[in-house]
Amino acid sequence: GAGVSQTPSNKVTEKGKYVELRCDPISGHTALYWYRQSLGQGPEFLIYFQGTGAADDSGLPNDRFFAVRPEGSVSTLKIQRTERGDSAVYLCASSNGGSGDTQYFGPGTRLTVL
Amino acid sequence: GESVGLHLPTLSVQEGDNSIINCAYSNSASDYFIWYKQESGKGPQFIIDIRSNMDKRQGQRVTVLLNKTVKHLSLQIAATQPGDSAVYFCAENKGQTSGSRLTFGEGTQLTVNP
Repeated sequence: GAGVSQTPSNKVTEKGKYVELRCDPISGHTALYWYRQSLGQGPEFLIYFQGTGAADDSGLPNDRFFAVRPEGSVSTLKIQRTERGDSAVYLCASSNGGSGDTQYFGPGTRLTVL
Repeated sequence: GESVGLHLPTLSVQEGDNSIINCAYSNSASDYFIWYKQESGKGPQFIIDIRSNMDKRQGQRVTVLLNKTVKHLSLQIAATQPGDSAVYFCAENKGQTSGSRLTFGEGTQLTVNP
């Protein structure tokens, strides 16, 4: 069956630009997560959706970062006024429920801010 | 602060040997632990998990051991193969009080020599 997919796989942008990263979770999964992974480090939590609502957005680093999941399936992570420090791999994961359910990850989007 | 970390950043083994990857955690409230494997350019792949009410869990060629007394987690891989070469992360879920976020360690790079 299809796993979590993310588009684009790579995104290069200039400092100050706006970017959108898309995540398609596993069909039927109600929970969706965004993480950010810097080179040589483990993923860091950004935000968690249960259905359409953001159940926990405490990992978003600042108000330039925003995510939506309007229909409870596809999610978009939006970054305004990108900075070089935003360069990282952005990972999406989905799970069947919430706490304690296995999170399955997508391949990630590598964002490079020049 | 609370964190999940790994003792060794790199581990090199011969093909056919058993591998042991270690992880220390600091939050005694964590109730769910997971091991992920991440190959270059890919997202983390679920290997095995264990809940805090268990000490040991076995999968295919893998075993996870949990020692709550010393807050230590290990992943044992039997008859290690070249395809096992990757970065291995442990992650913890801190239960309902912290939602569903996973907290990852920094990872151990496993290299299997033929």
